Formats: sequence, structure tokens, C-alpha cells
Amino acid sequence: DVKVTQSSRYLVKRTGEKVFLECVQDMDHENMFWYRQDPGLGLRLIYFSYDVKMKEKGDIPEGYSVSREKKERFSLILESASTNQTSMYLCASRPLNRGNTGELFFGEGSRLTVL
Amino acid sequence: QKEVEQDPGPLSVPEGAIVSLNCTYSNSAFQYFMWYRQYSRKGPELLMYTYSSGNKEDGRFTAQVDKSSKYISLFIRDSQPSDSATYLCALDTGRRALTFGSGTRLQVQP
Repeated sequence: DVKVTQSSRYLVKRTGEKVFLECVQDMDHENMFWYRQDPGLGLRLIYFSYDVKMKEKGDIPEGYSVSREKKERFSLILESASTNQTSMYLCASRPLNRGNTGELFFGEGSRLTVL
Repeated sequence: QKEVEQDPGPLSVPEGAIVSLNCTYSNSAFQYFMWYRQYSRKGPELLMYTYSSGNKEDGRFTAQVDKSSKYISLFIRDSQPSDSATYLCALDTGRRALTFGSGTRLQVQP
């Protein structure tokens, strides 16, 4: 069965802390994505990666960075967390050729609260 | 203007009702159209997928796309309490990541 695992479901951090959100997929997918989800705004793309060590900015990359050292793992980094980064973070993956439908496979999300 | 507009709801209907969920979009480069369902405290899951104008049916669900009007719809027949979730439209140019609507929260009352 397809599996995208986000290591932390709930985190509480303080302003200025460095935050790592980890995502692992077991489907050998080339493409991985980080979205954030906020009420009324839906899912907004932060960063995505087509392959190991490759990354591309999404629509709202400011304040975030990413790391993809291994194919199965895609990390989202908040260098200095701020309260406006309180959100639900969703990781997703899909194969390079989009598969049959272009479906994104999502993890269950990491809810981050920055105090 | 957002690329994809979706009424956030919430939408509350009685069990057995027909539900209509809609999105409009502005970018004519979108070629693939999806509906995701997201239960509370879970990640979104693909519900319906289509790439052409017209209707696609799967059980109680029908996805409708009108490319000329840039309008997509999801219809749920004989709605059930288990259909209570947030429904997100997602559009794809085929060259990048998906662009999502803001989601419509649906509550089906028993």
C-alpha cells in the first residue's frame, strides 16, 4: 500500500526556533511536495523536488527551505519560526511520469503551532 | 485573482440529499481536474479524476468539467453521513504541482 509518513503529527515551537519537518515515502516516487493548509486559503505549494538534490520554489517559499538528500526523504526547514507559520503542513509524492492520474499521495499532516 | 476559486462553505445537508460542489478557474493551461476528499485530521485522498470536458461517474459521485466556462463540479447523490468531509478541487497543467481550491466543508446530517 502507498505510504507517505510525516514523522511529527503535532509540534509546538517558540518564535525563532529552527524547525524540521520530515517526510518519507516508500513508493520510489521521484517527485515530492510540501504544502501548507490554512482555513479559507486551501493548500498552497511551498517547495517541490523532482529528484535527489533538486528543488524548486512553489508559490510561498519565503521563510522556508528544503532538503532532499535521499530519494525517499524530503525535509522542510523553518530557519527561524514565526507565528505566521502556524499551520498544517502536508507532504505529498507522485511518480515522475505522473502515473495514470497525476494523483498526489499525501501524508497525514504535521500541525505546527509557533508561540 | 486566485487561479482557482471554491466556495468554502460550510455546507450542511440532510442525509439522502444531492450535493453540488463547484470550482471556477482562470488558467486555460489546466488540463487535468481532480477532486480530493479530506477527513478531519487526515491528509487529502483522490476521489475523482478527469481530463476532458463532460461527465465522469463513479458510484454516487459524478465529476463534471466545462472547459469553455472554466467550471468544474462534483455531484454526490444519496449523500451519507460518512460523506462529511472537506472536498478540494485540484487542477493540473501537467508540468508542475497541483493547484488546489480552498476546499468546501460538507456536513451530512443523519
